[in-house]
Amino acid sequence: SQQGEEDPQALSIQEGENATMNCSYKTSINNLQWYRQNSGRGLVHLILIRSNEREKHSGRLRVTLDTSKKSSSLLITASRAADTASYFCATDLMGYGNKLVFGAGTILRVKS
Amino acid sequence: DGGITQSPKYLFRKEGQNVTLSCEQNLNHDAMYWYRQDPGQGLRLIYYSQIVNDFQKGDIAEGYSVSREKKESFPLTVTSAQKNPTAFYLCASRKDVKNIQYFGAGTRLSVL
Repeated sequence: SQQGEEDPQALSIQEGENATMNCSYKTSINNLQWYRQNSGRGLVHLILIRSNEREKHSGRLRVTLDTSKKSSSLLITASRAADTASYFCATDLMGYGNKLVFGAGTILRVKS
Repeated sequence: DGGITQSPKYLFRKEGQNVTLSCEQNLNHDAMYWYRQDPGQGLRLIYYSQIVNDFQKGDIAEGYSVSREKKESFPLTVTSAQKNPTAFYLCASRKDVKNIQYFGAGTRLSVL
């Protein structure tokens, strides 16, 4: 399978704490993206990091990319109850055409 | 408001029946995608289209068919050959070469 792996599968934290999710993939990428999905809804793009970048910030989101380990992490700082959702990494693989490969996702629950 | 509209939100299929899921976008995007999402899993690509009158099979195309007669529309037909159609179906369009995708709200298909 070309799908990446995400861990943890589920994460439960208190409001105000930081949440870290990890994603690993198998082949060379053009970029890696993170998406959010609220229950029963479509996905929303959060952030994109290119293969030649190591870190990217957007508001309370911080993404890192280690191409030597073929892994990425998403950090959400000072979490809020409204951050409760599933988070997916998606890789734009080299030579795979204009398609994305999605991981299985991390379910984040932020308790207030 | 620009976006992707999927209809219906819920759909029920009888055995042996073909059903069609609608996907319309007014974002003026060339590329469109159909994904299937099963519980606890990531998205799997069914079909995609990079331009009008052209489409390609994704990873799980068997039992599905599509058409792309207009830039705005990319309907998906779930045929009777798809023996396990119960899933959440998501349509997306791609903005540019960075491959950021924009998603509809999804259609949940169940078998009667």
